[in-house]
Amino acid sequence: KAGVTQTPRYLIKTRGQQVTLSCSPISGHRSVSWYQQTPGQGLQFLFEYFSETQRNKGNFPGRFSGRQFSNSRSEMNVSTLELGDSALYLCASSLVGRVYEQYFGPGTRLTVT
Amino acid sequence: ELKVEQNPLFLSMQEGKNYTIYCNYSTTSDRLYWYRQDPGKSLESLFVLLSNGAVKQEGRLMASLDTKARLSTLHITAAVHDLSATYFCAVEQAGAQKLVFGQGTRLTINP
Repeated sequence: KAGVTQTPRYLIKTRGQQVTLSCSPISGHRSVSWYQQTPGQGLQFLFEYFSETQRNKGNFPGRFSGRQFSNSRSEMNVSTLELGDSALYLCASSLVGRVYEQYFGPGTRLTVT
Repeated sequence: ELKVEQNPLFLSMQEGKNYTIYCNYSTTSDRLYWYRQDPGKSLESLFVLLSNGAVKQEGRLMASLDTKARLSTLHITAAVHDLSATYFCAVEQAGAQKLVFGQGTRLTINP
């Protein structure tokens, strides 16, 4: 079956702009998590959604937000972009409560100039 | 707060040698994961360790988990160049559907 897909794969934005990233989970997976990977901070948990509800949130400012739709697809939004938001954003999906069967998407590489 | 530490962070080794990457974590958990990441790519799941004493092997890689010591190891046997990558361990935070990652170990295997 198809894996986790993320769009776009690459993105270049300017400071102060906002950006929306999309994640389509594996069919049947209703839990979607987002992670940010930067050279300085490593891999950090952003948030997790299940059944259109954010259940967990990492330690990120309010500029980072997300949502999940009824078909389990998820989006994350970053407003007022800063240079430090340049990162690889990874989405992962799983059946609820089964992190051990979590699959990561290919990621979206965001560059903020 | 759950913290995960890997060492070493950088490892350069010769083909044919053995080595071990260590992953320590700070709070109780019995679920630990190892991933591989190639440059510019996403995370590839290597091992899922779900209980104390779990040991899994795939090819030249073997992972183990000691939940009492809060320690996991990833052992590389007779390294080959194709194993060059960055390896991450991640611990599942109980009840949170969330992974806390180590800093990663960048492994370079030289011919």
